Amino acid sequence: GAVVSQHPSWVICKSGTSVKIECRSLDFQATTMFWYRQFPKQSLMLMATSNEGSKATYEQGVEKDKFLINHASLTLSTLTVTSAHPEDSSFYICSASIGSGGSYEQYFGPGTRLTVT
Amino acid sequence: AQSVTQLDSHVSVSEGTPVLLRCNYSSSYSPSLFWYVQHPNKGLQLLLKYTSAATLVKGINGFEAEFKKSETSFHLTKPSAHMSDAAEYFCVVSENGGFQKLVFGTGTRLLVSP
Repeated sequence: GAVVSQHPSWVICKSGTSVKIECRSLDFQATTMFWYRQFPKQSLMLMATSNEGSKATYEQGVEKDKFLINHASLTLSTLTVTSAHPEDSSFYICSASIGSGGSYEQYFGPGTRLTVT
Repeated sequence: AQSVTQLDSHVSVSEGTPVLLRCNYSSSYSPSLFWYVQHPNKGLQLLLKYTSAATLVKGINGFEAEFKKSETSFHLTKPSAHMSDAAEYFCVVSENGGFQKLVFGTGTRLLVSP
């Protein structure tokens, strides 16, 4: 149980184009999903917190107009990288949260590798 | 604000020998602490978590970690390393409640030689 999928697993796009990444919780409903970015050989950095039916909360320094997040249902959140540039090339990882009463656990997707040429 | 420090970027062990991956944390509140493992080209997998219950936490694949408040540490151990343990390990801290925001350490790459 508690499986999170991401699609696509890797994508190559040209500079200036937009790319959409999907994150799905396959066997549970997640009111909260998170988007992380991981540069090569570095740690994960939280980009934004996505709550179903409301606007995402972005971390400091993350451009909300560039990284559009939509959490339209309890099982799907999407990250759209708009007008992508080579510096946006990275590994993007989502997670979905289960829990209540102050005790939560995040389940992570396998990640999406984005290369912008 | 909470943070974690993983003291070693790389740890090399021989198969069958003990593993020790060190982690120190800083938190203003009672923290939840986690260890995640990341194999190449795969998602993060939760090894174990501490959430203010027993200070010695047992996880999957023979790993365990001990929460030591006086030392602000949460080191990960395993008595005997397997080749399949070679991966990147992340120590993670979260403040209880709220949006469960996780803060990741910089990671420790575990290398296991035959």
